[in-house]
Amino acid sequence: DAGVIQSPRHEVTEMGQEVTLRCKPISGHDYLFWYRQTMMRGLELLIYFNNNVPIDDSGMPEDRFSAKMPNASFSTLKIQPSEPRDSAVYFCASSLIAPQGQETQYFGPGTRLLVL
Amino acid sequence: AQTVTQSQPEMSVQEAETVTLSCTYDTSESNYYLFWYKQPPSRQMILVIRQEAYKQQNATENRFSVNFQKAAKSFSLKISDSQLGDTAMYFCAFMKHDLMYAGGTSYGKLTFGQGTILTVHP
Repeated sequence: DAGVIQSPRHEVTEMGQEVTLRCKPISGHDYLFWYRQTMMRGLELLIYFNNNVPIDDSGMPEDRFSAKMPNASFSTLKIQPSEPRDSAVYFCASSLIAPQGQETQYFGPGTRLLVL
Repeated sequence: AQTVTQSQPEMSVQEAETVTLSCTYDTSESNYYLFWYKQPPSRQMILVIRQEAYKQQNATENRFSVNFQKAAKSFSLKISDSQLGDTAMYFCAFMKHDLMYAGGTSYGKLTFGQGTILTVHP
């Protein structure tokens, strides 16, 4: 399997612009997670989906952030408008919650976002 | 809410030696999972090892093993025969496991510690 795929790997944008991050989970996985990593706050869970349905978005910082999962193989995280404090590495992860308990989350390579 | 604490911001070890990274957590849950993830300079998050709380036997994966002390809420990672490629930041993580309701909002959420930077010297 190719693993979790994220694009773009790097994004540099100017304040006020819209940013869209993309994620393709591992085929067959039924949970998808979006994390943000910063020096100040470490790794934070932003939102996660189960079978394409958002389950918990309590970590989404504010209304400028939105996430969608239109199908089992694709998810987006959008920031509009972007601000310099959104600069971070954004990770997507997926997992398969099987009855046997294979809850391990597999992470993508991350998108490094810089907002100028 | 769960908290995970890694009290060692940085550690160093000589190649081929053994090093232990500490992790403690606080929870009132009885069913949960614990993980160690490695993040090398490439920033990729790589699973190192996982432990189910209901298992008394400590997990091992080749040179990596854990010392899981449930009563003490401690979950340390031991790396034997350290290699230069082990240089990375290591994160301890906690996940609640709700056996009764798989769709609950707490299910699947990873809570990470602050991380420990490990440097392996030649």
